[in-house]
Amino acid sequence: QKEVEQNSGPLSVPEGAIASLNCTYSDRGSQSFFWYRQYSGKSPELIMFIYSNGDKEDGRFTAQLNKASQYVSLLIRDSQPSDSATYLCAVRGPSGNTPLVFGKGTRLSVIA
Amino acid sequence: GAGVSQSPRYKVAKRGQDVALRCDPISGHVSLFWYQQALGQGPEFLTYFQNEAQLDKSGLPSDRFFAERPEGSVSTLKIQRTQQEDSAVYLCASTLNQWLKRETQYFGPGTRLLVL
Repeated sequence: QKEVEQNSGPLSVPEGAIASLNCTYSDRGSQSFFWYRQYSGKSPELIMFIYSNGDKEDGRFTAQLNKASQYVSLLIRDSQPSDSATYLCAVRGPSGNTPLVFGKGTRLSVIA
Repeated sequence: GAGVSQSPRYKVAKRGQDVALRCDPISGHVSLFWYQQALGQGPEFLTYFQNEAQLDKSGLPSDRFFAERPEGSVSTLKIQRTQQEDSAVYLCASTLNQWLKRETQYFGPGTRLLVL
């Protein structure tokens, strides 16, 4: 069974600090990796996707992928109170016609 | 442009009642997915359509759950004889091109179902 593991948190960081969110996955066939942000009572919102080993940066967000270790991470620099949300890691097979497998999410709290 | 829409946004059902949840995907999106998200959990896959064809329904938890997309656009998820364990948020997502590795799924606002 395909599994995606995340620490449920809460992860508390002070405003302006770097938040580091981690995710491991069991299926070595996974090809695409996504980070979604979900505010309480809202639907998941895509932040970043990555499918090559290494780092991918977008503004304050950096996604890191290590397929050999089956590990994905998301770094949020200069964390803001508005970043407080649940962050969902999702993995998928090689094409868009396969479903996403989600972790349970990590709850992030940025303290002003 | 318009995103994925779902209706109703909230539904309260009595145990044993049938419910129907609607999803309007982004116009032109070929693929449509349904997920179930229980409180404090990540979304879990229910079923997938490519146009009108239901290609994967392996995630449907029981034969009380049924989904259709007869014209390849709007989809309906029906739950018969609802049980309390069906209480969850039901999310719909659509994708334009199912063949691309980078293709992402765009989620609707969800329908929050509460079975009493």
